[in-house]
Amino acid sequence: EIVLTQSPGTLSLSPGGGATLSCRASQTVSSSYFAWYQQKPGQAPRLLIYGASSRATGIPDRFSGSGSGTDFTLTISRLEPEDFAVYYCLQYGSSPITFGQGTRLEIK
Amino acid sequence: QVQLEQSGAEVKKPGASVKVSCKASGYTFTDYYMHWVRQAPGQGLEWMGWINPNGGGTNYAQKFQGRVTVTRDTSISTAYMELSRLRSDDTAVYYCARGDVAVGFEYWGQGTLVTVSS
Repeated sequence: EIVLTQSPGTLSLSPGGGATLSCRASQTVSSSYFAWYQQKPGQAPRLLIYGASSRATGIPDRFSGSGSGTDFTLTISRLEPEDFAVYYCLQYGSSPITFGQGTRLEIK
Repeated sequence: QVQLEQSGAEVKKPGASVKVSCKASGYTFTDYYMHWVRQAPGQGLEWMGWINPNGGGTNYAQKFQGRVTVTRDTSISTAYMELSRLRSDDTAVYYCARGDVAVGFEYWGQGTLVTVSS
């Protein structure tokens, strides 16, 4: 099983700033099958990034993804109030499909 | 537009079973796998398994093997997830999500809260 470890667990930042979220895999993950999600309280997760670096439909260009192999990054620039949420990484190229434990992005 | 409509909240006693439905619309049901993901209160996302509606093949996470059964009814474009021998730590929101090889899980149901309590 591929374990995805996200860091930091919580990130406290101010609107207007930038955020860097990390996801490290215990084994090599195919970039084609790596994604990032945003989840707000009471809502289903929302796809942000797929294929490690492609933005999903309707996702603003403030969100960008990068990385390959075992290290992946989600970068959010110019933080807006609506960006404060929990973020999860996902790999679905290897069974079982696994999620990271999440990074909470909170307003400082 | 793609929509996944799940059944309503359930309260079950320990040892019982629960069956959650997920009705798909806006696309050809048999063209995409359907996955089930759960989220315990205040916790992260946990993948449970998938079904290929075209043929009915399934794959489950080892953790749920023997307790989970995912089925589908193609005539009404609906997938089902049944979890048996419920325990209190099965209390969670259960989501269905459409699987797409290219993008992962782009479309999700609204979630179904299953509460297991004596």
